[in-house]
Amino acid sequence: GAGVSQSPSNKVTEKGKDVELRCDPISGHTALYWYRQRLGQGLEFLIYFQGNSAPDKSGLPSDRFSAERTGESVSTLTIQRTQQEDSAVYLCASRIAGANQETQYFGPGTRLLVL
Amino acid sequence: GNSVTQMEGPVTLSEEAFLTINCTYTATGYPSLFWYVQYPGEGLQLLLKATKADDKGSNKGFEATYRKETTSFHLEKGSVQVSDSAVYFCALSTGGGNKLTFGTGTQLKVEL
Repeated sequence: GAGVSQSPSNKVTEKGKDVELRCDPISGHTALYWYRQRLGQGLEFLIYFQGNSAPDKSGLPSDRFSAERTGESVSTLTIQRTQQEDSAVYLCASRIAGANQETQYFGPGTRLLVL
Repeated sequence: GNSVTQMEGPVTLSEEAFLTINCTYTATGYPSLFWYVQYPGEGLQLLLKATKADDKGSNKGFEATYRKETTSFHLEKGSVQVSDSAVYFCALSTGGGNKLTFGTGTQLKVEL
């Protein structure tokens, strides 16, 4: 079956512009995560959605970052007034919810460059 | 809070050499432990996992044992191949959504 897909694969923007990144999780996966991977660093957790529960936003680095998810489908991550330090690869992952279902499946990522 | 420390790279080995990539962790509660791999130009893939102490995860000739007493999850392979060249990430998850905490990654280069 199809894996996690993300779009766009690459995005170049100017400082101060807003960007929107999209994630399509694996069908039937109720849990969805966003992570950020800056150059030379590990992945940082940003936000987590589980079904209709309130999202865990504890990893969002500033109020310029927000994310939405409609039901158990597509999610969008929005970065307002982008800064150069936002340049990174943004990864989305999804997971089947339930006991012993810890494995997250990652998309290919969106590479964001803020000039 | 949770954290993962893994050896810095790059690690350069000759084909058929023995590989160890060290990983230690700090966590509240009882984490599940993972190794993810990122091949050149590809997305992050799960390589292996272990969910409780003394469990051994294995896949594609790679192994890692969950050592609670030393809070470690070292990755090993007896004989590496050129195709194993990639970046390897150690990670853990705990309850409350199973969000992953990653190490910084170790780049492995295998040469003929």
